[in-house]
Amino acid sequence: EAQVTQNPRYLITVTGKKLTVTCSQNMNHEYMSWYRQDPGLGLRQIYYSMNVEVTDKGDVPEGYKVSRKEKRNFPLILESPSPNQTSLYFCASSPRQGYPYEQYFGPGTRLTVT
Amino acid sequence: GQNIDQPTEMTATEGAIVQINCTYQTSGFNGLFWYQQHAGEAPTFLSYNVLDGLEEKGRFSSFLSRSKGYSYLLLKELQMKDSASYLCAVRANMDSNYQLIWGAGTKLIIKP
Repeated sequence: EAQVTQNPRYLITVTGKKLTVTCSQNMNHEYMSWYRQDPGLGLRQIYYSMNVEVTDKGDVPEGYKVSRKEKRNFPLILESPSPNQTSLYFCASSPRQGYPYEQYFGPGTRLTVT
Repeated sequence: GQNIDQPTEMTATEGAIVQINCTYQTSGFNGLFWYQQHAGEAPTFLSYNVLDGLEEKGRFSSFLSRSKGYSYLLLKELQMKDSASYLCAVRANMDSNYQLIWGAGTKLIIKP
């Protein structure tokens, strides 16, 4: 089944404890992206990747890191999480960025930082 | 700047028709998407418009007017399962990159 998977789905952690949220897609998509979603603000892009070893900042990259060593994986790293990073996070992928392809979203990761 | 406006919440009756509007101000417009998102779930693709006019897909239709910076999503024969948020997103060509700019979404409540 073609899909985007994320792990974990739910995470409660404490301030400053490094964490990684994994994202994987099995559709051979070139483009991958991370979003956070907060009430009343809609989806905001954190980082995106146009292909392996090519990543760039989105609208709200502060406090996050990403890597794209393989085409299928695009992990999101929070080196020192803070309470303002409590949010619902979505990973998404699409075949390519420059075409009118829709994005396929993972199921989401609900992160709480205390 | 880049901006997308949608109503925050709408209510409609099962079996009726509802129109959800989206207005945008962006440079480098390159298409508009509508997504559906049930509470706590991932957004799923509904429609894409890049040219002016109406795109029909079953009970759902989407309209675009590029000159007015305006789109709407029309849902017919509403069902209870249509209760969800509807997200408008504009694809813009900025600095030779295509980026998606998202509206905050419209929460649609369907009543029996």
